[in-house]
Amino acid sequence: GNSVTQMEGPVTLSEEAFLTINCTYTATGYPSLFWYVQYPGEGLQLLLKATKADDKGSNKGFEATYRKETTSFHLEKGSVQVSDSAVYFCALRAGSYQLTFGKGTKLSVIP
Amino acid sequence: DTAVSQTPKYLVTQMGNDKSIKCEQNLGHDTMYWYKQDSKKFLKIMFSYNNKELIINETVPNRFSPKSPDKAHLNLHINSLELGDSAVYFCASSQDSAAYEQYFGPGTRLTVT
Repeated sequence: GNSVTQMEGPVTLSEEAFLTINCTYTATGYPSLFWYVQYPGEGLQLLLKATKADDKGSNKGFEATYRKETTSFHLEKGSVQVSDSAVYFCALRAGSYQLTFGKGTKLSVIP
Repeated sequence: DTAVSQTPKYLVTQMGNDKSIKCEQNLGHDTMYWYKQDSKKFLKIMFSYNNKELIINETVPNRFSPKSPDKAHLNLHINSLELGDSAVYFCASSQDSAAYEQYFGPGTRLTVT
């Protein structure tokens, strides 16, 4: 079956630090990959997506590249801000239209 | 304007009770979903409706019954609540069942005592 594994949190970084949140997946076929973000007290929002191998999704300074050879979709940002503090979910969709989510990684950015 | 709204935000109830969670979207979307997020933060799909018709029904106890009176609403009714039902329940919607982006509500934290 399909599954997503992302790094355990919480992750605490100082403002302007470099962020990486690892995500690997197992899927049948050729999945589309997503990062969703959940800010405190809110629902999940789509942050970025990639629909085929070697695609790079980007939004709000965040990037992730679809690596088929390593079945990975790691999230990166060069310089985090306090406002990036949130829970980040990696997800995939393969075959059916339903999303399979990772467990989420909580990021706290301190001034 | 809230795109996807859920009520209530918090729900505390006793075992054996019956409760409902309401969801409404004002985006004009065709497809709506219910997800359950357990204490370990796993987020798992429960149901999906497209134009008021059920299209995804994961392995969920039949004590859970979704109801879609119209395209903009997908309510979740739970009978005979159990301790294991304690979780955060998220409603979501998408343009249609093939759309990449889903829009989530803020969640309903259900605590069964």
